[in-house]
Amino acid sequence: NAGVTQTPKFQVLKTGQSMTLQCAQDMNHNSMYWYRQDPGMGLRLIYYSASEGTTDKGEVPNGYNVSRLNKREFSLRLESAAPSQTSVYFCASSYGGASAYSEAFFGQGTRLTVV
Amino acid sequence: AQRVTQPEKLLSVFKGAPVELKCNYSYSGSPELFWYVQYSRQRLQLLLRHISRESIKGFTADLNKGETSFHLKKPFAQEEDSAMYYCALSGMNRDDKIIFGKGTRLHILP
Repeated sequence: NAGVTQTPKFQVLKTGQSMTLQCAQDMNHNSMYWYRQDPGMGLRLIYYSASEGTTDKGEVPNGYNVSRLNKREFSLRLESAAPSQTSVYFCASSYGGASAYSEAFFGQGTRLTVV
Repeated sequence: AQRVTQPEKLLSVFKGAPVELKCNYSYSGSPELFWYVQYSRQRLQLLLRHISRESIKGFTADLNKGETSFHLKKPFAQEEDSAMYYCALSGMNRDDKIIFGKGTRLHILP
């Protein structure tokens, strides 16, 4: 059971470079999320997708774009990386509300360093 | 507005002492409440959910609708309980997103 898979696990970028973080889930979940977690801090929601074809901004969307390619995949793009985007990024998925199984499942995280 | 509040960023407790991690929520309806745990450099994983009314690793949490609280408790702390704990809420509607609190870091002192 793969669950939620993120790639890559580690990445170092130079300021101004772009990259896409990939996330895929095999649990037929409707909702998918991208969070960032800074050292010693809690989760902050970047973007959210309630279903295929829909995306909504979270708490800290500036500097990021997302794409819900299909029900399984939800990618996060940094167009011009900045040192302030150095963080651990987590993807998560869930069935969505009104479900007996609405818990979120998380990927293993991507450790991104921008120099 | 939907909100989950964890008032303590850090909680230090001696081994063997009781633990209580506080969580209060705001939601107009009957949400589902969860506690997640994150051990060092690992992903978040579900610890327990209120509808299961179960005890996991000695932890329990009771939903108090009157006080809109879902505090996490353990009678005797163990060193392996040191971790980050997140309280979360899932709404009733299909498009409702899961709301996480800011987390509480639990540090068990020897």
